[in-house]
Order: sequence, then C-alpha cells, then structure tokens
Amino acid sequence: DQQVKQNSPSLSVQEGRISILNCDYTNSMFDYFLWYKKYPAEGPTFLISISSIKDKNEDGRFTVFLNKSAKHLSLHIVPSQPGDSAVYFCAASAQISGNTGKLIFGQGTTLQVKP
Amino acid sequence: DSGVTQTPKHLITATGQRVTLRCSPRSGDLSVYWYQQSLDQGLQFLIHYYNGEERAKGNILERFSAQQFPDLHSELNLSSLELGDSALYFCASSVEGNQETQYFGPGTRLLVL
Repeated sequence: DQQVKQNSPSLSVQEGRISILNCDYTNSMFDYFLWYKKYPAEGPTFLISISSIKDKNEDGRFTVFLNKSAKHLSLHIVPSQPGDSAVYFCAASAQISGNTGKLIFGQGTTLQVKP
Repeated sequence: DSGVTQTPKHLITATGQRVTLRCSPRSGDLSVYWYQQSLDQGLQFLIHYYNGEERAKGNILERFSAQQFPDLHSELNLSSLELGDSALYFCASSVEGNQETQYFGPGTRLLVL
C-alpha cells in the first residue's frame, strides 16, 4: 500500500524554465510534508517542508504547494538550473503516529535540467 | 554536509553473515532514524530511536535490530544476511522526533553475495 505516490518517474525541462514535481498521498492523517533532493551515491538533502496548516511555503527558487482536499502537493523550481538535476523525493509524516516523525517516502522523480 | 556520519560507506559480505552499520547524529540531535533503499523500492522506514529508547518500528525484519547508545550514536545490526538485503541503508537525525526536518547521512551501501 503506497501511501505517498510520485507518479512521474522522470521529468526533463530546459534551463531557466519552471520545474513542477508532483506528489499525491492517501493518508488524510499526514500533516507534515517534506521534499528532499538526492544525488547518486549521496544521502537525501532536505529542500523544503510544509505543515498542513499552510498551503504554500517558499524558499528562494523553491516553492511547495499543498492542496489538502486533493491530497496533493507539488514542488516548483523557478528558474531551473542544470545543478538541480537529481532525484526528488516527497515525504510525509503524521503526528497522530505518536512520538515519532517517521517519514513515508514516495518513489522519487528524476529531474533533468538541460542547458 | 548534513552533519550526520555513517560508517562504513561500503560493505561487501556473504549470505548468512552478520554486519553492523554505525551512525552518528548531528550534534544536539536526540532522534535517530534508519531507512532502507532497495533497487526497486523507495526509502523505507525501519526504526526510530529517541534518546536511547525505541520510538517506532517500520517493516523491519526480525533478523535486523538496532540500538542507540548513551552518546546518542546508533548501530543497525543485520544478521543471517540474504541476497535481498543488499541495499542502501541511511541514517537520519532530528532534534526531537516529530514534525521536524530529518537530516540524512551519506548512507552505507551493503552488498550481499
């Protein structure tokens, strides 16, 4: 049972354009969401997070949007740069899980930004 | 550099053997999480420790166990290894344990032959 889904395995965009990565979830108890970027042979690097009390969070070129009714979140990267080429994971946690912030991850989307 | 360290970086062993993976969290972080990333799967939560106590378990096999020591470093023990245990094992840490950013180490790549 995949509670967090990233339905696009890959995405290719031109440098300078917007990259939009999508993520859907099924568990309505999820209340904290994060995006991580991962390069080969490295651990995931935190990018940005959003709590369920918000619908948008922005940090520089990265913006995360949360649509609770649709159980959907997206990561916008503007403008995209070649160095953004990596695998992007969305992750979710539920406070109702108790005293743990265990993360449930999507399968990842490979972003390629072409010069 | 996330501040989370993991050793060893690579590990090659044979089926039936036992290995120990080590993780040191960021300075000040009390929570340590272990995740497994297999070839055909995303990151799967294994176990969470907070200040030496187990907080949550995921789909962790009975052959696997973990602990967190008084100095807050953690070890993941994998025994009776099978070919299917070959994977990347990541450790992450956070300050407390809930609704926080987790910072990941570089991972240990385990290959079971």
